[in-house]
This record gives sequence, C-alpha cells and structure tokens, in this order.
Amino acid sequence: DQQVKQNSPSLSVQEGRISILNCDYTNSMFDYFLWYKKYPAEGPTFLISISSIKDKNEDGRFTVFLNKSAKHLSLHIVPSQPGDSAVYFCAASENFGNEKLTFGTGTRLTIIP
Amino acid sequence: GAVVSQHPSRVICKSGTSVKIECRSLDFQATTMFWYRQFPKKSLMLMATSNEGSKATYEQGVEKDKFLINHASLTLSTLTVTSAHPEDSSFYICSASNRGSGNTIYFGEGSWLTVV
Repeated sequence: DQQVKQNSPSLSVQEGRISILNCDYTNSMFDYFLWYKKYPAEGPTFLISISSIKDKNEDGRFTVFLNKSAKHLSLHIVPSQPGDSAVYFCAASENFGNEKLTFGTGTRLTIIP
Repeated sequence: GAVVSQHPSRVICKSGTSVKIECRSLDFQATTMFWYRQFPKKSLMLMATSNEGSKATYEQGVEKDKFLINHASLTLSTLTVTSAHPEDSSFYICSASNRGSGNTIYFGEGSWLTVV
C-alpha cells in the first residue's frame, strides 16, 4: 500500500523554465512533508519541508505548496538549472520531529539545456 | 561535509555470508537512527528504527533475525545482513536527526550491497 505517490516517474523541463513535481498521499495522519533530491548511489539530500499548518513554503528557487484537503503537495523549481537534474522524492511523517519517513516513488527530473 | 556517514559504500559478498554496514553521526548524538532500503528505481522503504541502548523496532515484513541492528553508542548504529542471499542485494541508507539543530534529518551516503 503506497501511502505517498508520485505519479510521474519522469519529467523533462527546459532550462530556465519552471519544474513542477507533484505528490499525493493517502494517510490523513501525515502532517509534515519533505522533499529530497537524490543522485544514484547517494543518500537523499534535504531540499525543503512544509508543515500542515501552512500551505506554502519558499526557499530560494524552491517552493512547496500543500493542499491538505486534496492530500496533494507540489514542488516548484524556478528557474530550473541543469544541476537540478536528479530524482526527487517527497516524504511524509506524522508530525514534525517524527523521524520516520514514508517516501514516494520518486520523479526523475531532467533539465534540458 | 557529511554529518551522517555510512561504511562501506559498496560491498560484494557471497551467498550465505554476513555483512555489516555502519552508520555514524559525525557531529551530533543520535538516540534514534533509521534504516531504509531501496531497490532499483523504487522508493526508499523504512526497514527499522534503531534505538540506542535497546532493541530495534522493525517494520512489518522485515525479518529481525536476518537484519540485525545494533545501536551501541549515541553515534553508531550497525546493520548486519545475516546469511545474505542475492535477493538482499539492494541500496541501504541510514538516517539520523540532529535534535539540536531543528530536528533536521540527515541521510548517510548509502551502501550498495551485492550478494553473489
């Protein structure tokens, strides 16, 4: 039972444009969400997070939006850069400080120069 | 630099042997660490929670006798894959959170295990 889903396994975006990665979840107990970037054979690198009391969190080129009623979150990267090419995972936990994460299946983002 | 370090990064072992993977928190103490597993092109799946000074908590479907976890100090957790089989070949990653730094969760670099 995949509680966190990323329905797009891959996404290609032109350099300079906006990349939008989507994530859906089914467990209503989740209330803290994180996005990670991962290269092959490396551990995930934290990008940005959001708690359910917010609907938006921004950090530089990265913005995460949360629609709690739809159980949906998205990561926006703008402008996209070639170095952003990687696999992106969204993850969820039942509360901030709970280090047990449930990961989505990942979306491979390719930025086209 | 890395704040959570795993060793070895790659290991090849023969079927039936055991292999140990270490996870260290470098700049902070972690009473709890987590072990994940990732099959190629799949999600990271939580295997177990490693608790310093007590038994690990395993997720449903994970064999505790096969995946032995020891968290003997506040900076080291080890995962031992016992009597390894080819289907145990996978990417194993640990995580720990620095409670002194806003609970940021850090991941190790991961360990590729190939059982031949």
